[in-house]
Amino acid sequence: DAGVIQSPRHEVTEMGQEVTLRCKLISGHNSLFWYRQTMMRGLELLIYFNNNVPIDDSGMPEDRFSAKMPNASFSTLKIQPSEPRDSAVYFCASSFNLAGTYNEQFFGPGTRLTVL
Amino acid sequence: AQSVTQLDSHVSVSEGTPVLLRCNYSSSYSPSLFWYVQHPNKGLQLLLKYTSAATLVKGINGFEAEFKKSETSFHLTKPSAHMSDAAEYFCVVTEGYNQGGKLIFGQGTELSVKP
Repeated sequence: DAGVIQSPRHEVTEMGQEVTLRCKLISGHNSLFWYRQTMMRGLELLIYFNNNVPIDDSGMPEDRFSAKMPNASFSTLKIQPSEPRDSAVYFCASSFNLAGTYNEQFFGPGTRLTVL
Repeated sequence: AQSVTQLDSHVSVSEGTPVLLRCNYSSSYSPSLFWYVQHPNKGLQLLLKYTSAATLVKGINGFEAEFKKSETSFHLTKPSAHMSDAAEYFCVVTEGYNQGGKLIFGQGTELSVKP
């Protein structure tokens, strides 16, 4: 299995531009998580989906951030417009969960975003 | 609500000596607990997990952790540190009964290994 795949691995953009981060889940997994990691704030959960349905988006910083799962194996995280304070490493993770069971999450390699 | 506290933000050991990374948790339910490791500029990798089976859990790379309900602890240990163990370690607890499998992460412990 190729694991969780994220693209791009690095993104440098200018303030005000739209940024789209992509994630492909591990085959058979049904839960998808987006995290952001910075030195100041550590690892933060932004949003997660179960069976393509957003369960909790309370970690999304503001309306400039949006996430979708157009199908069971793929997700996007969009920032529009981007700001320098959005610079961080964004991780995607997937897992297989049923009610009452709590399986580990498998993390992708991350996308390092720099907004100038 | 569930929470996890990693008692040390930084631990430094010499190569070949034991490693102890401390973690305490708070949970209203029988928790599932994990340790993840993150090497520099890498994603997070699962070291081991506890899911109400054996209280002593063995993981990859010689690490193990013991679940102690009476102490609400899940400390990570390794008998002999290797230079390649230098990384950030996260203690993680699941958030109760829901269908999402949401994880609650500790703040992380940075492990340094001196030659």
